[in-house]
Amino acid sequence: DQQVKQNSPSLSVQEGRISILNCDYTNSMFDYFLWYKKYPAEGPTFLISISSIKDKNEDGRFTVFLNKSAKHLSLHIVPSQPGDSAVYFCAASVTDSWGKLQFGAGTQVVVTP
Amino acid sequence: EAGVVQSPRYKIIEKKQPVAFWCNPISGHNTLYWYLQNLGQGPELLIRYENEEAVDDSQLPKDRFSAERLKGVDSTLKIQPAELGDSAVYLCASSLSGSIYNEQFFGPGTRLTVL
Repeated sequence: DQQVKQNSPSLSVQEGRISILNCDYTNSMFDYFLWYKKYPAEGPTFLISISSIKDKNEDGRFTVFLNKSAKHLSLHIVPSQPGDSAVYFCAASVTDSWGKLQFGAGTQVVVTP
Repeated sequence: EAGVVQSPRYKIIEKKQPVAFWCNPISGHNTLYWYLQNLGQGPELLIRYENEEAVDDSQLPKDRFSAERLKGVDSTLKIQPAELGDSAVYLCASSLSGSIYNEQFFGPGTRLTVL
């Protein structure tokens, strides 16, 4: 069963505009959420995370929003840059699960000039 | 600092053949993970090691898959015999410890093709 879902397999955005990536989860026990970024032929790299005690976390151009009642989180990238073109994975975990992550299927972002 | 090293990067074998993947984690990282990533999907955990002990192998298909982490450093994941459905990318990751708050660093993966 897919407990973390990214329903948009791809997203195209113009350079300088905002990219919004969405993620939904079904397991109400999840209390820690992460976004990973992956370039071709490389492993995923950690981007940003958020604990369930917060509803927003910001790091430079990247902001993650969490809506616990809707079991939904989103990643905003502002402004989008060509180097942001990659696959973005949403992941979720239960804090006491010792690092066990459940990943979504990913969203391919293409930033066009 | 060197990242997580995996080899080989690519492997093509015929079905029913054995195959092995090797992972060298970041120095000092006690926790090591093997993930399976099918095409168009996110990584799925196969097994997690704390030092040399496999503490979560519930998702490892034990009839054909095996893993070891001798001396709590390098690790090897083996498939014997391989099936067509095993074609995927096998990712290794490591972290300082198993806490969710310790970042998992991923290697580039081994892309396996079973013909």
